[in-house]
Amino acid sequence: EIVLTQSPVTLSLSPGERATLSCRASQSVSSSYLAWYQQKPGQAPRLLIYGASSRATGIPDRFSGSGSGTDFTLTISRLEPEDFAVYYCQQYGSSPFTFGPGTKVDIK
Amino acid sequence: EVQLVQSGAEVKKPGESLKISCKGSGYNFTSYWIGWVRQLPGKGLEWMGTIYPGDSDTRYSPSFQGQVTISADKSIRTAYLQWSSLKASDTAMYYCARHIAAAMSAFDIWDQGTMVTVSS
Repeated sequence: EIVLTQSPVTLSLSPGERATLSCRASQSVSSSYLAWYQQKPGQAPRLLIYGASSRATGIPDRFSGSGSGTDFTLTISRLEPEDFAVYYCQQYGSSPFTFGPGTKVDIK
Repeated sequence: EVQLVQSGAEVKKPGESLKISCKGSGYNFTSYWIGWVRQLPGKGLEWMGTIYPGDSDTRYSPSFQGQVTISADKSIRTAYLQWSSLKASDTAMYYCARHIAAAMSAFDIWDQGTMVTVSS
């Protein structure tokens, strides 16, 4: 099973700042089958990025994904008030599909 | 509009059985894998398993194999998650979600979840 580790656990930033979230896998994620989700309290997760760097439909271009192998990054170029949430990475390259523990982005 | 609609919240006692549902609309239901994801209170996301409604091919996470059953009825565009004997530790939010395209990939469509509470 591929174990995903996310860092930092919490990221405290102000609106307008840049957020950089990390996701590290215990072994290589095949074909960059890595996704990022955003979850707000009381809501279902929302797909942001799939295939490590492809934005999902309707996702603003301030969200970008990069990386390959075992190291992946989600970048939010300029935080908007609605971006404060928990972010999860997920690998779907090998079963069982696994999620990281999440990074909470909160307001500084 | 592509959407999934889950059944409502459930309150059950330990040892009881339960089957929750997820109905798809706005797309070809038989051509996309549907997965189930558990979220324990205040915790992260866990993939439980996935089914292809076209032929009911089902894959389970080892953590959930034998603990739940995933099924689908393509005639009514509905997927199911069921338990034969609930435990208090099954108390969680359960999401159904559609995999992108005709493959077990990322989840692009989610419903709001079904909260299952198991308490004596």
